Order: sequence, then structure tokens, then C-alpha cells
Amino acid sequence: AQSVTQPDIHITVSEGASLELRCNYSYGATPYLFWYVQSPGQGLQLLLKYFSGDTLVQGIKGFEAEFKRSQSSFNLRKPSVHWSDAAEYFCAVLMNSGGYQKVTFGTGTKLQVIP
Amino acid sequence: KAGVTQTPRYLIKTRGQQVTLSCSPISGHRSVSWYQQTPGQGLQFLFEYFSETQRNKGNFPGRFSGRQFSNSRSEMNVSTLELGDSALYLCASSSDSRPQETQYFGPGTRLLVL
Repeated sequence: AQSVTQPDIHITVSEGASLELRCNYSYGATPYLFWYVQSPGQGLQLLLKYFSGDTLVQGIKGFEAEFKRSQSSFNLRKPSVHWSDAAEYFCAVLMNSGGYQKVTFGTGTKLQVIP
Repeated sequence: KAGVTQTPRYLIKTRGQQVTLSCSPISGHRSVSWYQQTPGQGLQFLFEYFSETQRNKGNFPGRFSGRQFSNSRSEMNVSTLELGDSALYLCASSSDSRPQETQYFGPGTRLLVL
């Protein structure tokens, strides 16, 4: 079955520390991959996306993600976390299902940043 | 440009009623997608409209329907509301229906079904 897994429900990091959020997908074809961020009471904002080409993708707010086909992963990274990065992060995959294209989201990872 | 706007922002309904939510996309955007977000099921894709036609759909029952007008504004309707329909409903717009196009999300409509 096609699915997206974010194994970490909640992550706490210290401000200034590095961050890696994990995302694994199950899909037979080459997927379109996305990372979104949602701040409390807000809609989603696209951080970055991967369709093809260079497997290391740069996004907004200093985030990057690397697509690893062999591991079916698309992990999000940031070298130095700021307090304003505290939010919930969603990995998403665009898949074909039943003749339709639809976006499947992971369950999200809540990031807490401590001083 | 103004962002995606959704009305109303909050709504309380009772079981069995129906509800209509509205989404105004960013000016010039022709594709509108709808999503449901709940604590239990997470974010789920409902459907996408482009040029007044439903292009893609998720796995929701027929009680959930939508439409898009010639000015690209979209409405989502839920009939015979159930308690489980309580959720944040998000709308997103993009310039066209290609997956490469960035989707811009609105703040959502929070629906509570009693």
C-alpha cells in the first residue's frame, strides 16, 4: 500500500543544534516529495519539494532535504535551529491512485525548541 | 497579492445538518484543493478543482462534495454531518494543476459538529 511514515511524533532540540526529521514512503514509482510546516493556528507552508534531478534540495528558512531512492527516504535537515522553527512538520508524497493524483501526508512531527 | 482566504473561520453545526465552506484562491490561481485535518486521521486530501472541473479526488464518501466557479472561487459542502466530520478544513490554491506548482494554503475553517 502507498504510504508515508514520519516515525518521530515529537522531537525536542536545543536552539542552535542541528535538526533532522525523518520521512519514509512506500510507492512503486518515482514520487513527488514535499515538506510542509504548520505553525499553531496556521495553514501549511511549503518548505521545499523534490521532483527530479539533484537529490539534495534547498528550501526556505535554511532547510534542506535529501532524497534517497535506495532507502525510500526524504529527510529534512537544518544545521542550526532557531526558536521560531518550533512548529509541526509534515512530509507529503504525490501519488497516483485509482486514476487520480492525490497528496498523501505523513502524520507529522512536532518540533519543540528549548533555549 | 492577497493570500488564500477561507470563510467562515469557525463554524458549529449539529449532527445531520449540512455545511458549506468557501475558499477564495490567490488572484490568478486556477487550481483549488481541499484537505481535512483531524487529530486522529491527520491531513487527508479531499479533492482538487481546476477550471471548474474536479481533477483529482481522495477517498471520502459522497457526503463531501465541492464545486468551483468561473472566478476560481471554490466551495466545499458536507451533507448529513457526523461527529467525525469535526476538523480543520484547509484550502490550497496553485496557478495550475501541475504537481510542480506550489500550493498556497489558507488558514482553514474549523468545523465543530455537536
